[in-house]
Amino acid sequence: DTGVSQDPRHKITKRGQNVTFRCDPISEHNRLYWYRQTLGQGPEFLTYFQNEAQLEKSRLLSDRFSAERPKGSFSTLEIQRTEQGDSAMYLCASSLIQGSYNEQFFGPGTRLTVL
Amino acid sequence: DQQVKQNSPSLSVQEGRISILNCDYTNSMFDYFLWYKKYPAEGPTFLISISSIKDKNEDGRFTVFLNKSAKHLSLHIVPSQPGDSAVYFCAASGGSGTYKYIFGTGTRLKVLA
Repeated sequence: DTGVSQDPRHKITKRGQNVTFRCDPISEHNRLYWYRQTLGQGPEFLTYFQNEAQLEKSRLLSDRFSAERPKGSFSTLEIQRTEQGDSAMYLCASSLIQGSYNEQFFGPGTRLTVL
Repeated sequence: DQQVKQNSPSLSVQEGRISILNCDYTNSMFDYFLWYKKYPAEGPTFLISISSIKDKNEDGRFTVFLNKSAKHLSLHIVPSQPGDSAVYFCAASGGSGTYKYIFGTGTRLKVLA
């Protein structure tokens, strides 16, 4: 399977714990994005990387959130001191810069439940 | 501030008929629009896109129409099939090479056999 993969698919944690999610993009894609989706809403942009550089972070991404993409390959999203409001589906997407417009391909997501 | 709006949360259509899903946007800087389909427990799957220099784009059973003056786009599915039953999201981005999509809240399509 050469699509975007995410691990784990589900995570249940207690409030105050730290969690880390991983995303493996399509291998030749140089852009990687993180989105969050809550019930009844569309995905909301969190941050994106071009190769290993994190080029923008949304205001949704509080200082408890940190994302990395070492070596421009896989990426991790860590949430420290989780809160119940962090419960959501966390989606990763990747794209290849080729021309002016490039569709993003999404992974299956990691569903986080904070108790 | 919801820049991309899908005002119909749900839509039911008979198999073989046309499905029309609508999307409105407010930001005139948007110049690239996409439709994604999402099944439960899966990530969104890209369906079709259109840039602002066009007013129509077709791909098989799927056609997207863009009306820039009305800031409105629609997705037509003809003929509709039961496997099309899913949540459909429209998304928009602004500026050539831009990086982030702004999504609508989705429309749940149910195609009745």
